[in-house]
Amino acid sequence: RKEVEQDPGPFNVPEGATVAFNCTYSNSASQSFFWYRQDCRKEPKLLMSVYSSGNEDGRFTAQLNRASQYISLLIRDSKLSDSATYLCVVNTFSSYKLIFGSGTRLLVRP
Amino acid sequence: DGGITQSPKYLFRKEGQNVTLSCEQNLNHDAMYWYRQDPGQGLRLIYYSQIVNDFQKGDIAEGYSVSREKKESFPLTVTSAQKNPTAFYLCASSPVQGNTEAFFGQGTRLTVV
Repeated sequence: RKEVEQDPGPFNVPEGATVAFNCTYSNSASQSFFWYRQDCRKEPKLLMSVYSSGNEDGRFTAQLNRASQYISLLIRDSKLSDSATYLCVVNTFSSYKLIFGSGTRLLVRP
Repeated sequence: DGGITQSPKYLFRKEGQNVTLSCEQNLNHDAMYWYRQDPGQGLRLIYYSQIVNDFQKGDIAEGYSVSREKKESFPLTVTSAQKNPTAFYLCASSPVQGNTEAFFGQGTRLTVV
């Protein structure tokens, strides 16, 4: 089983739609969680950290469910510019190893 | 400006040659990482280092080597033992404490010719 798993997609949605991605992790000792965005042929860039209480940044909401060991990303009112690959990242401080999911591809159509 | 710099951006290698990819950061981060990304795929961890003069193998270390002689620098050598080295290589750094994210360099695209 992979340490971090994501549905590869693609998720093909119209502008204005709400879309949600999940990411599951296998190590219960994982302590920090992030969502990154990667555009084609570019480096990943931080979208948002994921806190235990959940957090929101504009149209984006991230949630953490430790009991079920998954994190989620919700995008409301999708824009064409949201088209990208979204990577979830898990860090376990005992090993200081950042583990990336394979990414979920989002396509927003006009 | 603080950041992480990879060079070169594009690199061509003949079969049988070793090549070294540079990664330098001035963020004062203790941890540094090397990832490989193939087209349409996610990031796979090659090597990581938490402190100077120490590093650990990731999931796909075979055919690669690294050194960490300085906090700022974490070069990756792709050896001739790596059978399929053509890929996009990404270097990242992060603090080892706290809930803080990793920062990436712009990547090196390596092609074997």
